[in-house]
Amino acid sequence: DTGVSQDPRHKITKRGQNVTFRCDPISEHNRLYWYRQTLGQGPEFLTYFQNEAQLEKSRLLSDRFSAERPKGSFSTLEIQRTEQGDSAMYLCASSLVAGAGNTIYFGEGSWLTVV
Amino acid sequence: GNSVTQMEGPVTLSEEAFLTINCTYTATGYPSLFWYVQYPGEGLQLLLKATKADDKGSNKGFEATYRKETTSFHLEKGSVQVSDSAVYFCALSVLNSGNTPLVFGKGTRLSVIA
Repeated sequence: DTGVSQDPRHKITKRGQNVTFRCDPISEHNRLYWYRQTLGQGPEFLTYFQNEAQLEKSRLLSDRFSAERPKGSFSTLEIQRTEQGDSAMYLCASSLVAGAGNTIYFGEGSWLTVV
Repeated sequence: GNSVTQMEGPVTLSEEAFLTINCTYTATGYPSLFWYVQYPGEGLQLLLKATKADDKGSNKGFEATYRKETTSFHLEKGSVQVSDSAVYFCALSVLNSGNTPLVFGKGTRLSVIA
């Protein structure tokens, strides 16, 4: 079990550029989540997948954001035409679909700085 | 809707002091409750959880009891260490055709000084 891995860990980009983050979940996990965390705040839910199906999207996920999980394994989160307000840590997490209280495991996050 | 409210930080304690971080929740349905910890520069790690009323979650000397009557899940530790310095997040998930995504509180920063 190698845990949830995210790449890159840090990204600095100029405003208006596109960025893409990748997440590799724990191998047998069928659910994959994306969260955003800004300084001093708790993680905010963006979207999640069950296998390759995107089941829910938060209203925080503007049309500049798109997430995919094409084969039900790794996922990508792309931000187009980045804005300074997109600067945050993007967290990926994974879990099994199971009963109450199933544990969600988080990666170490991808820091985005838009300058 | 579902929400979590935590006591505001930062909390600064001396080593071996008693810790309490308050957490209350509102939920549509019957939630499972979690405490996650985030060390500087890292992602979140599950600290403990409880899935039904009166359950006590515990790990690494930390404890929290699921109190349905007061909709609370307060985190406690009898004797904190410098290594406990981190941000602590209370969270909930509701079982609804599988667990809903976690909803987090804003976090409470704990600093323990020697």
